[in-house]
Parts: sequence; structure tokens; C-alpha cells
Amino acid sequence: GAVVSQHPSWVICKSGTSVKIECRSLDFQATTMFWYRQFPKQSLMLMATSNEGSKATYEQGVEKDKFLINHASLTLSTLTVTSAHPEDSSFYICSAPPRGQGAYEQYFGPGTRLTVT
Amino acid sequence: AQSVTQLDSHVSVSEGTPVLLRCNYSSSYSPSLFWYVQHPNKGLQLLLKYTSAATLVKGINGFEAEFKKSETSFHLTKPSAHMSDAAEYFCVVSTSGGYNKLIFGAGTRLAVHP
Repeated sequence: GAVVSQHPSWVICKSGTSVKIECRSLDFQATTMFWYRQFPKQSLMLMATSNEGSKATYEQGVEKDKFLINHASLTLSTLTVTSAHPEDSSFYICSAPPRGQGAYEQYFGPGTRLTVT
Repeated sequence: AQSVTQLDSHVSVSEGTPVLLRCNYSSSYSPSLFWYVQHPNKGLQLLLKYTSAATLVKGINGFEAEFKKSETSFHLTKPSAHMSDAAEYFCVVSTSGGYNKLIFGAGTRLAVHP
């Protein structure tokens, strides 16, 4: 089946620094990828929709200047958390529907756990 | 707007007994509905999906769900629980148009006891 990878799987950074998380579709192309955030014992909340070759679309309440998204190719989207603060500590998950399949078959990455100290 | 409500935050069953995880949805049109499972330290896995075909949907690992429009429900069931079924389960609705966004329910943690 289709595989989505994320790198790194976990990262610890100091407050005020930036951290980049990669999401790759390994065996399919994805013109769209989605980024979610999951706080402990909570559900997934959609942060933004990443579109290959164009600007990302952010959900209400998500700061686009803090969470920079770049979808540079059909297999890679990156999320950069800028000037991270402890409240940004969370589990970040990406998903991707194979090109042409809408949301009916979305494949999820294993997630990246970010801890900001 | 679309939304889903998972009626139980925790469900505990004994191994070999039936599983019922409840989900109600709200949608202004015929929705697409999904159940995903999240095991610790693993990515989300699609259990099954409803996309306006048969109302009784069979998924992986013996799970199934029935779409009931009159009750706006999409409950997940399994006849006999296995220890490996212990995980977090999410009921999900898809929004309309283009590459659809997924709206997740709050999740139900299933515990399976020997």
C-alpha cells in the first residue's frame, strides 16, 4: 500500500528556534498534503492544506507566519515551526491522498513529536 | 458545516466479546464517513469508509460499520474483540469539494481485557 513518511520522528528544540518537519509520499504523487496537530489525549486538528506549486491554505486560528509550509514537489511537503515556544509542543501528522483520488484514500504519516524546551 | 461526535471517550471490553464504538455525524449533504485506528507510536490506519454506496461497510480486521441516515449514525462494530484491537479509534467525516478535508471526532480509546 501507499506509504507516507515523516522526518524526524521526534525532535527537541529550544524555545525561539525553528524546526522543520518533512512529509514524503514514498510511492505515489500527491498534489495535496494535509498537516494536522494532535495534543496529548486529544483528536487531530487540521492545521493547513499544502498544495504543490502554490501557497498553503491555513485553517482559522493557525498562524501562517509561524507554521511555514512548502510543497516543493509532488512527493514532499515541509512544515517549519518558526520561533517555537513550549505551547507548540505537540504531535504533528501529515497525510496525503494519492493524486486523483480526493480524500477517499488518505494515507497518514507516522507523526513527528515536537518538544520545545 | 460537517462534524462528528463520538459518544464514548473510553470503551472497555473483554477479549472475545463484541465491540461497539458509537459515532454520530452532522452534515448538510450526503457525507463520506471513515473510521481510522491509531495504535501507539504508529500512523493512522483506515479501517473502513462509507462513500454513498452500500450502507453496511466491511473493513479490515473484522470491523464493520453501518450508515444510518435516519439516525445520523455510523457506529463501528466487531463481533469478537482481540487484544490487538486496543487502540484509539477516530470517526471522521469528509468535507465537500475538491481534495476534501477530514474532520476528526474526539476519539474513543478501546481497552481490551483478557
